[in-house]
This record gives sequence, C-alpha cells and structure tokens, in this order.
Amino acid sequence: EVQLLESGGGLVQPGGSLRLSCEAAGFTFSNYPVHWVRQAPGKGLEWVSVISGRGGDTNYADAVKGRFRISRDNSKNTMFLQMNSLKVEDTAVYYCAKSRIGVTGVGVFDHWGQGTLVTVSS
Amino acid sequence: EIVMTQSPATLSVSPGERATLSCRASQSVRSNLAWYQQKPGQAPRLLIYETSTRATGVPARFSGSGSGAEFTLTISGLQSEDFAVYYCQQYDRWPLITFGPGTKLDI
Repeated sequence: EVQLLESGGGLVQPGGSLRLSCEAAGFTFSNYPVHWVRQAPGKGLEWVSVISGRGGDTNYADAVKGRFRISRDNSKNTMFLQMNSLKVEDTAVYYCAKSRIGVTGVGVFDHWGQGTLVTVSS
Repeated sequence: EIVMTQSPATLSVSPGERATLSCRASQSVRSNLAWYQQKPGQAPRLLIYETSTRATGVPARFSGSGSGAEFTLTISGLQSEDFAVYYCQQYDRWPLITFGPGTKLDI
C-alpha cells in the first residue's frame, strides 16, 4: 500500500523559514517524480513544485520560485521542501503527491499524503 | 498560464440522481485533463485522468468526457459518499500544472 506522510509544518513569522518532509512507503520511491501541492484555508489546490525520480530535475510555480527548494533522499525514501522568505500568502496545507507514472512531464497525482499545515503569521 | 474554470460553483442534487460537472480551459489542453474528489478534512483523491480513464478503484458511475478545452465529469446514481468538492486539473503545459476552483456537490 502506497503511503505518504508529511511533517514539519507549524507556525512561522513572515520572512522565516521552514522545512517540510514527506516520507514515502509502498512503492519504489526513486522511480517516481513527487510533487508538492498546497491548499490555502477554504481555497482550492495550487501546484507548488516537482522533483524527478533521481532528483536531477526540479520545477517550481512562479509564486515560490527563488524562495522554495525541493530535494529528495532516495536512500531514505524522503522528499523535502525548504521554504525561505515565507509570506502570509504561503499559509496553506501542503500535500506531497506521487506521480501516477514514473516519467517527469506527466502531472497526474495518484496518491496523496494527508498534508501538513503551514501558518505564516506575526 | 492556462486558467481553468468550473461550473457551477455549487451543484445541489439528490441521491440517486445524475450530476454533470463542467470544466473549461482557457486554451486547448488536448486530453491532458484529470479530475479529483476531495472530502472535508481529507486529501484529494484521483478519479479520472486523460479525460476519461478511471483511476484504480474508482466506481464505474464516474465518467469523464470532452477534449480540447471543454470537459465534463458525470456521476450517475449519486451515492451519499459522492458529496464532496471536485477539481479538474490540466497537465498539458508541463510543468505549469493548474487546477480549477472546484465544484461543490451538495445534497
């Protein structure tokens, strides 16, 4: 059974930093791109970032480019999102999501974690 | 950026009825369109990808259709567990994946 478990969320002041983790199980982690998707309170879904299976290819939404950095440690089946220069508008539940197929370039998410809440407030 | 719109914002239906949800893209996304279901307090769940292919374990009462910029999700014989928010998502313009604002399916 595929499982994704996010952690690292919390309350941070504007301008601060936070590092999210997503631990995966139940599939060959290194074979699949994984994504971060966020959802502001009461709002819709917003794609944030993706990293390829081997970690060599990354992409970001314009809203976070230059502030967020995605990475992965395939030896630990874990993906990370380093979030710097946080803004109030980054407040959201952050989900990690697995790509349905093992190639970069197809953004269909067949499994999601339960999410971790990031609150940016003074 | 491709902008996705969904209509209606809220759809009130009764169990056993059929629900038709619409999704429109600001430009063609070919068949690269997915649908997700989200219940309160839960993560989204993949229902449909490539416009009309049901994901593993999704009941046959869910069906998707359309092409280009106009898409439809149809739920036949609504069951109580189907009342949720439904999002469409385009993945044609990699990596600029975008979601629609959602349709809330209400009793």
